[in-house]
Amino acid sequence: DVQMTQSPSSLSAYVGDRVTITCRASQSISTFLNWYQQKPGEAPKLLIYAASTLQSGVPSRFSGSGFGTDFTLTISGLQPEDFATYYCQQTFINPPLTFGGGTRVEIK
Amino acid sequence: QVQLVQSGAEVKKPGSSVRISCKASGGTFSDSAINWVRQAPGQGLEWMGDILPKLGSTSYAPKFLGRVTLTADGSPTAVYMELSSLKPEDTGVYFCATDQTGTPAQYDAFDVWGQGTLVTVSS
Repeated sequence: DVQMTQSPSSLSAYVGDRVTITCRASQSISTFLNWYQQKPGEAPKLLIYAASTLQSGVPSRFSGSGFGTDFTLTISGLQPEDFATYYCQQTFINPPLTFGGGTRVEIK
Repeated sequence: QVQLVQSGAEVKKPGSSVRISCKASGGTFSDSAINWVRQAPGQGLEWMGDILPKLGSTSYAPKFLGRVTLTADGSPTAVYMELSSLKPEDTGVYFCATDQTGTPAQYDAFDVWGQGTLVTVSS
């Protein structure tokens, strides 16, 4: 299985801050990497797919980058509605698809 | 765009089985796979397996192999996830999800999710 390691596991930030979340794969996965946002009691929401493609309807303050084993999700100008948990997911090796452990973004 | 609607919450005894449905609302299942993802209370996301509804072909995570069965019926109009030999640690919310982004299948970008089904396993 491809292990996905996210860091940090949680962070506190102010509205307006630039936030970066990293995701590292245990082996190269090319650009087969997706990012999701999940709020309590809701299903996850797709933000970024193929490492850097913004999903339709997602604000442009979200961006993704990376290739191989190291990936980042950046939120440029954190908004109140962005406080949530973020997950990366690799789809290069299937089965199984695997998710990172999540990064909880909290208000400072 | 099709929406996914799941069946309601379940309470089960250890050792029993649970069957959850996922139906397409506002359309029919596309050629994309329907995936199942589990989330234990306060924990992360865990992929269980997927099914191509029109073909019935399945793929399972090794962790669940032998305990989970995915099926489709009708046109198909619904897919089902059955988990057997339930344990208290199977308690959680189970989601179905699919990729309707139009990207190549391997990207498996789940842009459409069901609302989730809470399964509680307790004696």
